[in-house]
Amino acid sequence: NAGVMQNPRHLVRRRGQEARLRCSPMKGHSHVYWYRQLPEEGLKFMVYLQKENIIDESGMPKERFSAEFPKEGPSILRIQQVVRGDSAAYFCASSPGLAGRGEQFFGPGTRLTVL
Amino acid sequence: DAKTTQPPSMDCAEGRAANLPCNHSTISGNEYVYWYRQIHSQGPQYIIHGLKNNETNEMASLIITEDRKSSTLILPHATLRDTAVYYCIVRVATGNQGGKLIFGQGTELSVKP
Repeated sequence: NAGVMQNPRHLVRRRGQEARLRCSPMKGHSHVYWYRQLPEEGLKFMVYLQKENIIDESGMPKERFSAEFPKEGPSILRIQQVVRGDSAAYFCASSPGLAGRGEQFFGPGTRLTVL
Repeated sequence: DAKTTQPPSMDCAEGRAANLPCNHSTISGNEYVYWYRQIHSQGPQYIIHGLKNNETNEMASLIITEDRKSSTLILPHATLRDTAVYYCIVRVATGNQGGKLIFGQGTELSVKP
């Protein structure tokens, strides 16, 4: 039973480029969450998605960041025109939603470095 | 902001029980107490959760006070691999309103030989 998968595990981008981070939830999970961990800081919620719907994006920066979870395929966190301050670890988590007990299962993360 | 308060760090001797406290004095009636941990640079790992009764699983035990204003996570026989940051989180268990986890600073547990 594969866990949450994220790729790439490490991503290097130059300022102004785009970063695309992918998350495949656990089998049977229809809810996906993205969190960001800046260097030496705690985990911060970014966005909560169900298939084809954004449920809560209260933690998303207003500009340059977007997320989607299409009917088919992985969830994508997209960062346009990256800046050095975007360098962080980005974690995805999944849950079975209402069928579960509220726990979230996390992936290994994508480490984004902006040069 | 996190609704919980935890000590920033604790030490524990290998093989001994690790008792990690958490205060959540403003917890609501429909909120559960969840515990996660993050081993260095890895994704957080779910440990256990409870509402008002004590809970035990293969990883740990959770003791919640009768007034629900505090709880203790117990790792009965700590090993070096239990060295991690432990997060205590309160939230509703299911439904869209319970989606996000709000992480505080957690407790950095160091298990020493």
